[in-house]
Amino acid sequence: EPEVTQTPSHQVTQMGQEVILRCVPISNHLYFYWYRQILGQKVEFLVSFYNNEISEKSEIFDDQFSVERPDGSNFTLKIRSTKLEDSAMYFCASYRDALGEQFFGPGTRLTVL
Amino acid sequence: QKEVEQNSGPLSVPEGAIASLNCTYSDRGSQSFFWYRQYSGKSPELIMSIYSNGDKEDGRFTAQLNKASQYVSLLIRDSQPSDSATYLCAVNSNQAGTALIFGKGTTLSVSS
Repeated sequence: EPEVTQTPSHQVTQMGQEVILRCVPISNHLYFYWYRQILGQKVEFLVSFYNNEISEKSEIFDDQFSVERPDGSNFTLKIRSTKLEDSAMYFCASYRDALGEQFFGPGTRLTVL
Repeated sequence: QKEVEQNSGPLSVPEGAIASLNCTYSDRGSQSFFWYRQYSGKSPELIMSIYSNGDKEDGRFTAQLNKASQYVSLLIRDSQPSDSATYLCAVNSNQAGTALIFGKGTTLSVSS
């Protein structure tokens, strides 16, 4: 069964550094998402992407964040200058149709030191 | 501010019992409702979706939706120790976009 994949599984970085988190959504899916989950807290929406542009973003998704679909398969989240509070699990999700059932990847644990 | 509320638990049930998980949401315009299961350190895994009032059954799981009361529930019959996890309620307001709004989750513990 097709799955969303994410790399790396764990990223450790120094505060102020740039990180790029990568996702490969399910191949025939059209809508792509990034969510994050700070340890012990709820899953929070960051951004949605459809037809090669951002369709929706939350207040968390400020100017230090960007997303890109550089080719037909990858979907990336870039954090330009990481802060301690960016430490979290970052999940990519995708779905195909109007049912809206979103399928999540395994996540990338980002640790900012 | 759209909110999804769940009791954090833990909800403890013996093996073979029925576990009942509840969720309320604030946005009356919400259209789609989902239950995800999340094991510790893992990603959310979709269990059920429900879109109209009433019950929807899938194996040991039954989702119930009451839009008038803004209430969603998940029943797990014949609970197994492997069902021990955090159950996340998620809501999508199609009027505002497709982002899912999650509750904090209810931790279920099934004892053998």
